[in-house]
Amino acid sequence: GDSVTQMEGPVTLSEEAFLTINCTYTATGYPSLFWYVQYPGEGLQLLLKATKADDKGSNKGFEATYRKETTSFHLEKGSVQVSDSAVYFCALSTGAGSYQLTFGKGTKLSVIP
Amino acid sequence: DVKVTQSSRYLVKRTGEKVFLECVQDMDHENMFWYRQDPGLGLRLIYFSYDVKMKEKGDIPEGYSVSREKKERFSLILESASTNQTSMYLCASSLPQGPYGYTFGSGTRLTVV
Repeated sequence: GDSVTQMEGPVTLSEEAFLTINCTYTATGYPSLFWYVQYPGEGLQLLLKATKADDKGSNKGFEATYRKETTSFHLEKGSVQVSDSAVYFCALSTGAGSYQLTFGKGTKLSVIP
Repeated sequence: DVKVTQSSRYLVKRTGEKVFLECVQDMDHENMFWYRQDPGLGLRLIYFSYDVKMKEKGDIPEGYSVSREKKERFSLILESASTNQTSMYLCASSLPQGPYGYTFGSGTRLTVV
């Protein structure tokens, strides 16, 4: 079945550091890929997505590129801020089951001043 | 602003009580989902619904039931609450076509004492 594997956290970075959160997937078919963010005490919000190979999703300074050859969708940001402290979830959708999402387990990011 | 609204942010219930968690969306979405979120376990799907009066079991349906009498409302019911159901509960909705992802509510933090 479909699955998403994220790097385990927690990840702690200093403000203005470079961020990478790794995400790899296995899927039958040709998935769309998503990153969600969950701020403390909140629900999940869609951060960015990509629907085909080599697409780059971007939002709020975050970027991720759909790499079909390595089945990866790593999240990056050049300079993190304290306000980026949150849990980040990678997810995929293949269209099966009415585009139901399969989520990774989440990676907690803490940014310290 | 489109949204998914969960009726309570925090809830404390006693063991054995019947508990209702309500979720309403204003986006005319066909699909609705209930997840629970626990540290180290990520998001686990409890139940989902593709249409009014339709429901499907997710990965952990035991101890829960659901009701969807109207398109916009999806209720999660704990028939007899137990302490191991203390968790964060997240509702989400989505369209059945296209890779648009989910819209989540803000979550309900349920404590069973």
